[in-house]
Amino acid sequence: QKEVEQDPGPLSVPEGAIVSLNCTYSNSAFQYFMWYRQYSRKGPELLMYTYSSGNKEDGRFTAQVDKSSKYISLFIRDSQPSDSATYLCAMRRMDSSYKLIFGSGTRLLVRP
Amino acid sequence: EAQVTQNPRYLITVTGKKLTVTCSQNMNHEYMSWYRQDPGLGLRQIYYSMNVEVTDKGDVPEGYKVSRKEKRNFPLILESPSPNQTSLYFCASSSFRDRGRSNEKLFFGSGTQLSVL
Repeated sequence: QKEVEQDPGPLSVPEGAIVSLNCTYSNSAFQYFMWYRQYSRKGPELLMYTYSSGNKEDGRFTAQVDKSSKYISLFIRDSQPSDSATYLCAMRRMDSSYKLIFGSGTRLLVRP
Repeated sequence: EAQVTQNPRYLITVTGKKLTVTCSQNMNHEYMSWYRQDPGLGLRQIYYSMNVEVTDKGDVPEGYKVSRKEKRNFPLILESPSPNQTSLYFCASSSFRDRGRSNEKLFFGSGTQLSVL
């Protein structure tokens, strides 16, 4: 069983829709949670960073962590065609120096 | 401009022919790492380096070598490539100063698509 599970999609939504992307994990030691966005033929770039449980909002993006359920989410409001990309969740333990465990990514397509 | 530079972007080679993928960062980062990305498997860490002359195995190190003689460079070496090493490779770097803070992040290169025939 993978430590981090993520639905590969693709997820296709119309422009303006609210998008929900999710990851589940099995290791309760994970403390730092991240979402990376990867455009086609590019390297991933950090989108959101959250420590422990709770919500974090940045513009149209909200990251949510539920440690009791071992479940993290990324919500995108008013989705735009430019949001079309692969979204990778990533997480690491407090005692691990930058060893990130990545999900396999969810491909999102926002239709104009 | 702060960046991680990988070369080449695309590489086609044959089984057994040694190759090197270069990686260089201009941000004075201590930490550098190599990943491979395969469909359905996501990003898997090959090797990482905490500083000059300090390297360690990641999750899938077999068939790969690295070296860290200078802080800015972290080449990935395939001594005898095989078809199962056909993949998209990413180099990444980060600073320990940002660890545990909201600006903690890995900076990724643009990737090297390797095909081993």
